[in-house]
Amino acid sequence: DQQVKQNSPSLSVQEGRISILNCDYTNSMFDYFLWYKKYPAEGPTFLISISSIKDKNEDGRFTVFLNKSAKHLSLHIVPSQPGDSAVYFCAASALRGGADGLTFGKGTHLIIQP
Amino acid sequence: GAGVSQTPSNKVTEKGKYVELRCDPISGHTALYWYRQSLGQGPEFLIYFQGTGAADDSGLPNDRFFAVRPEGSVSTLKIQRTERGDSAVYLCASSLLGGSGELFFGEGSRLTVL
Repeated sequence: DQQVKQNSPSLSVQEGRISILNCDYTNSMFDYFLWYKKYPAEGPTFLISISSIKDKNEDGRFTVFLNKSAKHLSLHIVPSQPGDSAVYFCAASALRGGADGLTFGKGTHLIIQP
Repeated sequence: GAGVSQTPSNKVTEKGKYVELRCDPISGHTALYWYRQSLGQGPEFLIYFQGTGAADDSGLPNDRFFAVRPEGSVSTLKIQRTERGDSAVYLCASSLLGGSGELFFGEGSRLTVL
């Protein structure tokens, strides 16, 4: 039973345009959400996070939006660059519940077309 | 070292053999996590250490899997009587205190069981 779902296995976007990656979750105990980026043969690297007390967090070209009522979050990348081509994982944590560790989605492979 | 170090980077073994995978976390990080990533899936939580003790081992799939962290730094994941279904990339991550959500991952150890 997938608690974190990324329904798009891949996404192709033209360089310079906006990339929007989506993530849905089912566990209402989740209160902290993260996006990780992964290149082939490397470990995932942290990109951006958001706490459930916020609905938006921005860091340079990356913005994460959280809609708690819909149990949905999205990552916006603008403008998209060739180096953004990677697999993006959405992850969630239930910090207030005292649990540690992250629950990951299956990932979305973002391809930036020149 | 500067990042999380995992050895070996690749391990090929035969069904039924015993395997050890090593993780050297970022210096000073008290929390250490093991994840497993199968093809086409996101990282799946296995076990979490806070210091020397396993705070949560609920993700270990069965009793063939065991992990230790005797001095609160380096950790070893041990797999007995390996099966073909154990083939995956085993990722180690560390964080400064645990519970913060943001994990720093190593590059992983790719295990292939023939």
